[in-house]
Amino acid sequence: EIVMTQSPATLSVSPGERATLSCRASQSVSSNLAWYQQKPGQAPRLLIYGASTRATGIPARFSGSGSGTEFTLTISSLQSEDFAVYYCQQYNDWPPLTFGGGTKVEIK
Amino acid sequence: HVQLVESGGGLVKPGGSLRLSCAASGFTFSDYYMSWIRQAPGKGLEWVSYISSSGSTIYYADSVKGRFTISRDNAKNSLYLQMNSLRAEDTAVYYCARLVNGDYYFDYWGQGTLVTVSS
Repeated sequence: EIVMTQSPATLSVSPGERATLSCRASQSVSSNLAWYQQKPGQAPRLLIYGASTRATGIPARFSGSGSGTEFTLTISSLQSEDFAVYYCQQYNDWPPLTFGGGTKVEIK
Repeated sequence: HVQLVESGGGLVKPGGSLRLSCAASGFTFSDYYMSWIRQAPGKGLEWVSYISSSGSTIYYADSVKGRFTISRDNAKNSLYLQMNSLRAEDTAVYYCARLVNGDYYFDYWGQGTLVTVSS
């Protein structure tokens, strides 16, 4: 099973600042990585797939990078609606499909 | 527009059973792979089960194998999860989610249904 590790667990950022979230895989997942955003009481929402392709309707301030075992989600200028929990998910080698433990982006 | 609506959650005693349903609309259900994913209170996401578009291929997480059964009825645009021998650690919000055509990430999620296993 591929283990996904996200860091940090919590990121405190001021509105307008850049946020950089990390996701590491226990073995290579190529570019088969997705990122999701989840707000309290809501279902997750797809942000990025293929490590770097934004899903439909996702603002350009969200960008993904990386391949193999190291991945990054960057939010270039945090808006109030971006404070949420972010999860990565690998789909290169499964079952099982596996998610990271999440990074909570909170207001500093 | 795509909608996934789960139902069937509730309070059940350890060892009990529950059947979750997910009603799909706004897309050709029979063309898509589907999954169940759960989230324990205050915790992260855990993939539970997968079913191919025809229902011919099914996978489960080790944590539920032998206890849960995924199925679908393409004529009714519905996905199901039969959960038996429930344990306290199965307590979670259960989401049904659509997999992107030809790939294995999730583009649409339902709002979730809460399953609580407690005596």
